[in-house]
Amino acid sequence: GAVVSQHPSWVICKSGTSVKIECRSLDFQATTMFWYRQFPKQSLMLMATSNEGSKATYEQGVEKDKFLINHASLTLSTLTVTSAHPEDSSFYICSAREAGFTDTQYFGPGTRLTVL
Amino acid sequence: GENVEQHPSTLSVQEGDSAVIKCTYSDSASNYFPWYKQELGKRPQLIIDIRSNVGEKKDQRIAVTLNKTAKHFSLHITETQPEDSAVYFCAATFFSGTYKYIFGTGTRLKVLA
Repeated sequence: GAVVSQHPSWVICKSGTSVKIECRSLDFQATTMFWYRQFPKQSLMLMATSNEGSKATYEQGVEKDKFLINHASLTLSTLTVTSAHPEDSSFYICSAREAGFTDTQYFGPGTRLTVL
Repeated sequence: GENVEQHPSTLSVQEGDSAVIKCTYSDSASNYFPWYKQELGKRPQLIIDIRSNVGEKKDQRIAVTLNKTAKHFSLHITETQPEDSAVYFCAATFFSGTYKYIFGTGTRLKVLA
């Protein structure tokens, strides 16, 4: 149980285009999902917290107009990187927390974004 | 702000030896401490966790200890094997609207055969 999927697993796009990444909890309901970014040989950095039915909350220094998050259902959150630039190239990982729980997060497999 | 320090950044051990990775957290209200193993290009994989009401937890070759007073927690891997080679991250929860994780900087463990 507690499986989280992400799609796509990798994407290459041109500078200036937008990319959407989906995060799904497959066998549980997730009122809260988290989006992380991980640069090569670095740790996971929390970008934003996605709450079902409400606006996402962003960590300091993360541009909310550039990284659009939508959590439209209890099993799906999406991250859209708008007007992507090469410096946005990274490994984006989502996690989901089951409704009613406060600690364990289940991680998706990640999405490798390369912006040319 | 909240912070988790992790040491060492790299660790090489001979197969069969033990490995210890240490983390220190800043928020005394942190109450959940998971450890993750991450292989290149893969998702973080939970290997063990501990809650603040417990001082030690063991699962076969892996153990975690927690010292709440000192705000330290450590991962212990015994009888290391080459397949233990990976990057290990500690994390601690903090509350900011909801419970979130802050990760340590990671330890690259290399087990030499």
